Amino acid sequence: ETGVTQTPRHLVMGMTNKKSLKCEQHLGHNAMYWYKQSAKKPLELMFVYNFKEQTENNSVPSRFSPECPNSSHLFLHLHTLQPEDSALYLCASSQVEDALRRLGNTIYFGEGSWLTVV
Amino acid sequence: SQQGEEDPQALSIQEGENATMNCSYKTSINNLQWYRQNSGRGLVHLILIRSNEREKHSGRLRVTLDTSKKSSSLLITASRAADTASYFCATDAIRGANSKLTFGKGITLSVRP
Repeated sequence: ETGVTQTPRHLVMGMTNKKSLKCEQHLGHNAMYWYKQSAKKPLELMFVYNFKEQTENNSVPSRFSPECPNSSHLFLHLHTLQPEDSALYLCASSQVEDALRRLGNTIYFGEGSWLTVV
Repeated sequence: SQQGEEDPQALSIQEGENATMNCSYKTSINNLQWYRQNSGRGLVHLILIRSNEREKHSGRLRVTLDTSKKSSSLLITASRAADTASYFCATDAIRGANSKLTFGKGITLSVRP
């Protein structure tokens, strides 16, 4: 259904746990993103990887650690999270090319991973 | 700072009616995009309008862009119950090589059968 697959879809973790969210895109894109979606708040961009290099880190706490081993896979490693980190975490991808800069890039989202920190 | 702000925050209409949703933004953009999100799911791209375009159509969707007022509207004609979802506008201010989409809080649309 979607070219961007996220696992797990639901995750409940304690504040001392270590877990990871996984994202895989099958669209041949060269940029991948992590967004956080909390209730009543705008979608927050967390990290951007372009050609596997992290190009953006929007002041995200170090308890969130991204990893991009190749242009198709993206991980978000979670460690000692807080209850306020409970949210829907969305992975996305896009194709970034000079030719598209004028036209605009469309971002393709996965279904998200619901994270609950207890 | 938040770029796109949608209005209203929630909209409830009867099936068959038209739904109009508005978005305002603050700084210069390269393009503006509308996305849809069904409850608990990911966002799906609906339509993109470039800064040099004023109106665009896609099926039952009509998007307008007024760069002088820094605003956009999304019109869904002949709404259906299946259109019930949250709708987000996202402004694209491309910096460097990356697309820098900034999303608003979204509009919750309920279409009553």
